This record gives sequence, structure tokens and C-alpha cells, in this order.
Amino acid sequence: EPEVTQTPSHQVTQMGQEVILRCVPISNHLYFYWYRQILGQKVEFLVSFYNNEISEKSEIFDDQFSVERPDGSNFTLKIRSTKLEDSAMYFCASSFGGLGTEAFFGQGTRLTVV
Amino acid sequence: GNSVTQMEGPVTLSEEAFLTINCTYTATGYPSLFWYVQYPGEGLQLLLKATKADDKGSNKGFEATYRKETTSFHLEKGSVQVSDSAVYFCALRGGGFKTIFGAGTRLFVKA
Repeated sequence: EPEVTQTPSHQVTQMGQEVILRCVPISNHLYFYWYRQILGQKVEFLVSFYNNEISEKSEIFDDQFSVERPDGSNFTLKIRSTKLEDSAMYFCASSFGGLGTEAFFGQGTRLTVV
Repeated sequence: GNSVTQMEGPVTLSEEAFLTINCTYTATGYPSLFWYVQYPGEGLQLLLKATKADDKGSNKGFEATYRKETTSFHLEKGSVQVSDSAVYFCALRGGGFKTIFGAGTRLFVKA
């Protein structure tokens, strides 16, 4: 069964450093997403990406964040100058289309900023 | 804007008990509704979905019915097992295609 894969599963970084979280969405999907879950809290939408551009972003997704689809298979989230409060589980998701289709989520990358 | 409200947990049940987790939503138009499950240390898995009013989604003994008149999508299971212990998230997708999640309800099932 096709699945969304994320690497690494756990990343520890020093405050102020840049991190890149990587995702391989399901191959025939067209829409890509990043979500964040701070420990014990709700899953929050960060950004959606379609046709090689951001289609929607939340107020969390400020200039510190960027996304890219560098080739035909990967989808990355870059976090510049990480802060302690960026520590969270980051989920990548993809979907084939719009309403009526579900998003498939990866296993997540746990980011710890120290 | 669109939002999802679900009952606070944790919910603690004995094995074979009946489970209900309440979920209500606010949305414009006709969203699709979902339940996702997160087992300890794992990612989000789709449990079931319903795409229009009166649809019933079902999977692994869990059911939920899309009730437009009460804007609800309550999750039920007739007989829970220890292996059902997890966090359950109610969610919707409306215009714009992003998934909006409720806060999650943690379920503990005791043997």
C-alpha cells in the first residue's frame, strides 16, 4: 500500500540552527501539506502546496518557514533559526484531490530544539 | 472559519464496553468528515470517513454518521479492546482542502 514517508524520524538541533525535514508523498498525489503537533496538543495546519506553489498557509507559517519540492518526489520543510518553541512533531501529508478525498499522513518527524 | 470540537479526554473504559466520542463541527458548505487515530509513538492513520450528509463511515468495528442537522460526527464502537487505546482525532476538509483537526480524545481501555 502506498504511503507517505518522512525522514528523519527524530532530529535534535541547537537553537538558532536551520533544519530541513524531508517527505516523500504518495506518487500520484497532487496536494502536499505540513502540519505540526506540539506534545500533547492538537494537530495544527502549517501550509498546503499545489502546482509548485503555496496554496494556503496559516499564521504559524511565517518567514522562518519555507517549503520546496526540489524534484518530482520530495517535499521539504525548512525551518530557519530554530527556537525552543519549534520543538514538535511535524507531519507531512498528501492527497490526490479535493473534497471527498482524504489526506494521507506520514509517521512524523520529532524535532527537538535544545 | 471552519472548526472541530470534540469531547475532552481522557476516556477510560473497561474492555468490551461501549464507546462514544462526541464530535461537532462548524463549516461553510459541505465538508468531508474524518476520524483519525494515533497509536502511541506513531503517526496519524485514517480510521473512517464520510463525504456527505447521512453517510456512515465504518472500519474495524468503529462507526460514525455524518449528521448535517446537528453538525455532528460522533465516533462509536460497540465493544472496545485494549488494543483500541489511542488518541482519536475528529477532522474535516472543506474549501481549500486543508484538514482541520479537533483537539483529540485519549482513550484508555483496561483489561
